[in-house]
Amino acid sequence: GNSVTQMEGPVTLSEEAFLTINCTYTATGYPSLFWYVQYPGEGLQLLLKATKADDKGSNKGFEATYRKETTSFHLEKGSVQVSDSAVYFCAPPEAGGTSYGKLTFGQGTILTVHP
Amino acid sequence: DSGVTQTPKHLITATGQRVTLRCSPRSGDLSVYWYQQSLDQGLQFLIQYYNGEERAKGNILERFSAQQFPDLHSELNLSSLELGDSALYFCASSTQKAGDPTDTQYFGPGTRLTVL
Repeated sequence: GNSVTQMEGPVTLSEEAFLTINCTYTATGYPSLFWYVQYPGEGLQLLLKATKADDKGSNKGFEATYRKETTSFHLEKGSVQVSDSAVYFCAPPEAGGTSYGKLTFGQGTILTVHP
Repeated sequence: DSGVTQTPKHLITATGQRVTLRCSPRSGDLSVYWYQQSLDQGLQFLIQYYNGEERAKGNILERFSAQQFPDLHSELNLSSLELGDSALYFCASSTQKAGDPTDTQYFGPGTRLTVL
């Protein structure tokens, strides 16, 4: 099955700082890759996705590029806001076999942004 | 709002008891997934149903079971509850077209289970 290694947190930044959260994975085949975000007290929301190698997913100022050669999908944002404070999860789905579609989550990276 | 609903939002019960968590998928989605989020185990996949049939199984305990009904809603049954079962339980749904690698899962708000 898949495995995911995410940058350990917590990450604390000042508003308008640059953000990078690293994610590397091992997976069977070449699945789509997802970043999910969990705001305090809420469920998971899809932040962005990339469906094939070299694809770039983007949403709300966040970007991540699917790098097949380095099996990475690092999340970046040029200027974070206080409202970005949340837990971020990298998640590749199983691409085949009996677990097709199952998401494997990284441990999550807690981001806190101060004004 | 993802379109996935879960009830109840909170559940407090005692050890040894049995509870049922309910999930209604987004309109048109045939696949339902259950995940457990706890402090020590993180987010773990439990089980998946597709159009009423079990499709995949993860680290689901034998004390736990699930089903998906003809109207596509799903229930997760947890029995002989232990303190360690306290967690957030999420349901997600997707269209899960066969062989579609871009399939996206949309998550409900979760049910927080507390076992005392």
